[in-house]
Amino acid sequence: AQKVTQAQTEISVVEKEDVTLDCVYETRDTTYYLFWYKQPPSGELVFLIRRNSFDEQNEISGRYSWNFQKSTSSFNFTITASQVVDSAVYFCALSEARGGYNKLIFGAGTRLAVHP
Amino acid sequence: DADVTQTPRNRITKTGKRIMLECSQTKGHDRMYWYRQDPGLGLRLIYYSFDVKDINKGEISDGYSVSRQAQAKFSLSLESAIPNQTALYFCATSDSGTGVLGETQYFGPGTRLLVL
Repeated sequence: AQKVTQAQTEISVVEKEDVTLDCVYETRDTTYYLFWYKQPPSGELVFLIRRNSFDEQNEISGRYSWNFQKSTSSFNFTITASQVVDSAVYFCALSEARGGYNKLIFGAGTRLAVHP
Repeated sequence: DADVTQTPRNRITKTGKRIMLECSQTKGHDRMYWYRQDPGLGLRLIYYSFDVKDINKGEISDGYSVSRQAQAKFSLSLESAIPNQTALYFCATSDSGTGVLGETQYFGPGTRLLVL
């Protein structure tokens, strides 16, 4: 069955530390997409990144970077030099095509607390 | 202005009451979704709509109904609210033109619902 596991329920770091959020997925599909979303304390869900299963290049966007490894079915998210504003719940999600639509399967989320 | 808006943002109601949550979008997307979020469970899909005439049940549709009044509007109704429907509800949109798997879902700010 398709599944997304975020084993880290909560992470607490001090500002300027680097932190990696783990995401492990299971799928039988050969073509799929992976996503990360951020949910700050205000509650909204903010799209961060989308990666397809054929592109294993790492991606960097400012202090954010993503490491996709098909061999280990992982799509980990690293925040470099964390800041208090990074405090949020982060969700990893897997996209599979079911019935002609993009079904998103979410992990349970990792709550990141960045302390001054 | 936000691309995906939800009203109300917060709602308290009593058991047995009928309530409606509304979602509007200015992104021009054809597909819309309703999710609920419960602590530790990630997001679960309630209903989704490919266009105005195409509405489908998600994984947890019991106790809910929806209406797609226009391409830009998608409402969720709780016919007779019960306490275990207390949750954070999200509306999302996506553009089918980007290809099924590659669609990114963009979320509204959420509606916090408390059923007493």
